[in-house]
Amino acid sequence: EPEVTQTPSHQVTQMGQEVILRCVPISNHLYFYWYRQILGQKVEFLVSFYNNEISEKSEIFDDQFSVERPDGSNFTLKIRSTKLEDSAMYFCASQREGVSTDTQYFGPGTRLTVL
Amino acid sequence: KQEVTQIPAALSVPEGENLVLNCSFTDSAIYNLQWFRQDPGKGLTSLLLIQSSQREQTSGRLNASLDKSSGRSTLYIAASQPGDSATYLCAVPRGFQKLVFGTGTRLLVSP
Repeated sequence: EPEVTQTPSHQVTQMGQEVILRCVPISNHLYFYWYRQILGQKVEFLVSFYNNEISEKSEIFDDQFSVERPDGSNFTLKIRSTKLEDSAMYFCASQREGVSTDTQYFGPGTRLTVL
Repeated sequence: KQEVTQIPAALSVPEGENLVLNCSFTDSAIYNLQWFRQDPGKGLTSLLLIQSSQREQTSGRLNASLDKSSGRSTLYIAASQPGDSATYLCAVPRGFQKLVFGTGTRLLVSP
């Protein structure tokens, strides 16, 4: 069964450094998402992406964040200058069509630790 | 603004029990509701997606019900097993896409 994959599984970085989190969505899916979960808290929406542009973003997704689909398979989340509070589990998700009958399929997550 | 709440926050049961997890949401104008399972330090596995026009959806030992008018959903797990131990999350979309998640119920099933 096709699945969403994410790399790396764990990333440790120093505050102020740039990180890129990578995702390979399911191949025939058109809608892509990033969510994050700070330890002990709810899963929160960050951004949705369709047709090579952001379709919606949350207030968390400020100028320090960017997303890109650099080729036909990868979907990346970049954090330009990491802060301690960016430490969280980051989940990528994909969806075949952005309609109500469609499930969002989640990847296993990347645990980001900012020191 | 959509708020999603789950009770109880944690539940511990002996193997074999039937159990019910609850999810409530404040805005009943939803297209669907999705139940996920999350194992410690792992991703989210979709269990069931129930459409707003449906009242129930079943998959194996799992049965999800939805009452839009009262803003509630339940996940019924029959004959629980230790392998069911995980955190269970419900989520509703705002619009078609962005999911709003509940706080989760941490389930422990003891042998």
